[in-house]
Amino acid sequence: DAGITQSPRHKVTETGTPVTLRCHQTENHRYMYWYRQDPGHGLRLIHYSYGVKDTDKGEVSDGYSVSRSKTEDFLLTLESATSSQTSVYFCAISDSQGRTEAFFGQGTRLTVV
Amino acid sequence: GNSVTQMEGPVTLSEEAFLTINCTYTATGYPSLFWYVQYPGEGLQLLLKATKADDKGSNKGFEATYRKETTSFHLEKGSVQVSDSAVYFCALTPSNYQLIWGAGTKLIIKP
Repeated sequence: DAGITQSPRHKVTETGTPVTLRCHQTENHRYMYWYRQDPGHGLRLIHYSYGVKDTDKGEVSDGYSVSRSKTEDFLLTLESATSSQTSVYFCAISDSQGRTEAFFGQGTRLTVV
Repeated sequence: GNSVTQMEGPVTLSEEAFLTINCTYTATGYPSLFWYVQYPGEGLQLLLKATKADDKGSNKGFEATYRKETTSFHLEKGSVQVSDSAVYFCALTPSNYQLIWGAGTKLIIKP
């Protein structure tokens, strides 16, 4: 299995609080992604990174920010959580932009109350 | 634009039945096509892929053929098992871009 770890695995937070999710990889892959998964929507890309300090927005980036200060870590931050951000969040890694297999973490279930 | 359309689920079959999950796409250029599977409580994992027209991807008894003329990449398996119960995602990557995902199809196999 690819070395990719998400933390925490579950979190309940209150509306308006900041939340940071962490993705850690041991594969030295260049590309890292954050997705959210919601019923009826499949996977939607939030942000992705193509190198240290190099990030870009996905299709649902509003309300989210990311940082990648090291190859192995990709952080997703909800600056002020809202109930619409209740979801399952997946981190993925790949060593090329889409042409090869993407490896996924186990997911983080976030509930905003 | 680029998009992937999968048949809606859930798809419910009896064990040993034949499976087809339809996937069609629109894309610019020459995309690679993928099927990913998600078992309950887990992340997604690659099931099979095809990188050019007429390629057939296969794994664990599943197959899919890249049909450029019909812009399709249907997933098939000749005899399903209860352990195949999962959510299946079709995806594509246009040239130099991230994965574009279908909405997923939940498969339920009854003994």
